[in-house]
Amino acid sequence: AQSVAQPEDQVNVAEGNPLTVKCTYSVSGNPYLFWYVQYPNRGLQFLLKYITGDNLVKGSYGFEAEFNKSQTSFHLKKPSALVSDSALYFCAVRDIATGFQKLVFGTGTRLLVSP
Amino acid sequence: DAMVIQNPRYQVTQFGKPVTLSCSQTLNHNVMYWYQQKSSQAPKLLFHYYDKDFNNEADTPDNFQSRRPNTSFCFLDIRSPGLGDAAMYLCATSREAVGTDTQYFGPGTRLTVL
Repeated sequence: AQSVAQPEDQVNVAEGNPLTVKCTYSVSGNPYLFWYVQYPNRGLQFLLKYITGDNLVKGSYGFEAEFNKSQTSFHLKKPSALVSDSALYFCAVRDIATGFQKLVFGTGTRLLVSP
Repeated sequence: DAMVIQNPRYQVTQFGKPVTLSCSQTLNHNVMYWYQQKSSQAPKLLFHYYDKDFNNEADTPDNFQSRRPNTSFCFLDIRSPGLGDAAMYLCATSREAVGTDTQYFGPGTRLTVL
């Protein structure tokens, strides 16, 4: 079965510093990978996805993610963190092994950006 | 703006009292999903509709039902809510149910069971 792992429950970074939120995946076949962000008491907002092509994917709010096939990783990055980036971040992969390709989420990483 | 709308945003019900949560979309997407999310955990898929075709996840309790009367609307019915059903309920849509498609989420309804 397809799966993703987010090894860090929480990431702390100072405002203005670069941030990385880690995600590794385990899939059979080509991975379709997604990042979502969730602010308190809100739904999930789509940030970006990797389907094929360029390993560096650019998304919303200045976020980008790097697909690394050899390391089976899809880390989320931003060059300069903002306090308003503080939220819960979910990595997800499409389970293409089944007829209905449902989204399988990681456990989430809480990002705290300090002023 | 095209979007996914959930009403109400906050719902309080009593133990055992049926409750209905509502979702609507202006994206004209074929697929609508209902997820349950507890305490900042990963969302758990309950079921989805592809058009009018209903698909239940194997571990979704019978207490949870859904209706999709038309393309735009989808409802989640909890027949007899228990304390363990208190959670955030998220509705999402996608154009198709294929690997490359993005799911777009509504703001969620937070359900409290007293």
